[in-house]
Amino acid sequence: NAGVTQTPKFRVLKTGQSMTLLCAQDMNHEYMYWYRQDPGMGLRLIHYSVGEGTTAKGEVPDGYNVSRLKKQNFLLGLESAAPSQTSVYFCASRRERGTDTQYFGPGTRLTVL
Amino acid sequence: ELKVEQNPLFLSMQEGKNYTIYCNYSTTSDRLYWYRQDPGKSLESLFVLLSNGAVKQEGRLMASLDTKARLSTLHITAAVHDLSATYFCAVDMWYIPTFGRGTSLIVHP
Repeated sequence: NAGVTQTPKFRVLKTGQSMTLLCAQDMNHEYMYWYRQDPGMGLRLIHYSVGEGTTAKGEVPDGYNVSRLKKQNFLLGLESAAPSQTSVYFCASRRERGTDTQYFGPGTRLTVL
Repeated sequence: ELKVEQNPLFLSMQEGKNYTIYCNYSTTSDRLYWYRQDPGKSLESLFVLLSNGAVKQEGRLMASLDTKARLSTLHITAAVHDLSATYFCAVDMWYIPTFGRGTSLIVHP
């Protein structure tokens, strides 16, 4: 049981390049989330999904897109990376709303030059 | 809009001392979570508090929830160096958690 995994762990992009971050969970969780963590800012929600085929915007969605074609996977895309997107990105999942904690992936450290 | 405030944001303690981290939130919720993050690592769940008056304890950490005051506390008893980490509280509105900015705790010998 791997829990929540993220690919890649590190990435360096040039401004304007695109990339996709992959989050996978093997716990059959319904809800999945993408966060970014910047120094002193806590975690800010980018997008989330409450089930296969659904996505919704969080607090800071601009510049990102997501897809959840399969229940176990949640993809985060950057179409045209900007230096302001330099951050650590965490994916999380949870079984159902409210009564269960979130389980976090190991994070992806992204640098945009 | 739900706002979650933690204080202090930075805490330097001596080993053996007690201290409390506070988590205030702005709207009604009865679901609050505490997480720990070690430097360069991911977040790990510590406590899930699901009702008014809930108290959970593990080792030297004890968390409580007062939904009427919209306040949770994380109390540290006789701190040890291994507790050095950043601690986050998160509050649920439906299925969307909002995190505090975190409390960076350093425990000195």
